Amino acid sequence: AQKVTQAQTEISVVEKEDVTLDCVYETRDTTYYLFWYKQPPSGELVFLIRRNSFDEQNEISGRYSWNFQKSTSSFNFTITASQVVDSAVYFCALLPRGSTLGRLYFGRGTQLTVWP
Amino acid sequence: DAGVIQSPRHEVTEMGQEVTLRCKPISGHDYLFWYRQTMMRGLELLIYFNNNVPIDDSGMPEDRFSAKMPNASFSTLKIQPSEPRDSAVYFCASSLAQGFQETQYFGPGTRLLVL
Repeated sequence: AQKVTQAQTEISVVEKEDVTLDCVYETRDTTYYLFWYKQPPSGELVFLIRRNSFDEQNEISGRYSWNFQKSTSSFNFTITASQVVDSAVYFCALLPRGSTLGRLYFGRGTQLTVWP
Repeated sequence: DAGVIQSPRHEVTEMGQEVTLRCKPISGHDYLFWYRQTMMRGLELLIYFNNNVPIDDSGMPEDRFSAKMPNASFSTLKIQPSEPRDSAVYFCASSLAQGFQETQYFGPGTRLLVL
């Protein structure tokens, strides 16, 4: 089965706090990609990052960082020193390579609200 | 570079009417996807195409929904007849499946309201 679980439905923090969004995935494929997308209040889906299953190095981009751990099937996303503009719904997604090419499996999303 | 283009951005129609949503993928991309987003069901894949050929339409809710891709730069999703439960945001996305270039890029979505 292919599945992505984002257990946190909503998170609220105050500006400048650090926040971590959890993502746990299930797949039997040995090769796959993991993604994070951001959906701000305006509604569009914005691509943030892609990782492939062979690369477990953590990645940092400005205030954003991602922790990929195959041992726990997790791909967590941390925002450091959060800002009001970070308020959005964040989706984690899985793209298995062994199954039909192209099908992306999304989690239900985590609504992040950053208060001033 | 232009991203994925969708039209219209908003559509309000009455039950029973035909609705056509349009999508222009990123130039050069060979995969095109149609998704539906609702509060109840989240993001659902409806159908996707590879090189203009439908690959998987198992997510299409019922016969009232149909999708076409007559060429590499245009796709339509049609609902006929529309029903209130079709109200949702419909996203189109495209990707290029060469090597590791498989990131799906989404259009701005069409917000559909069926009264």
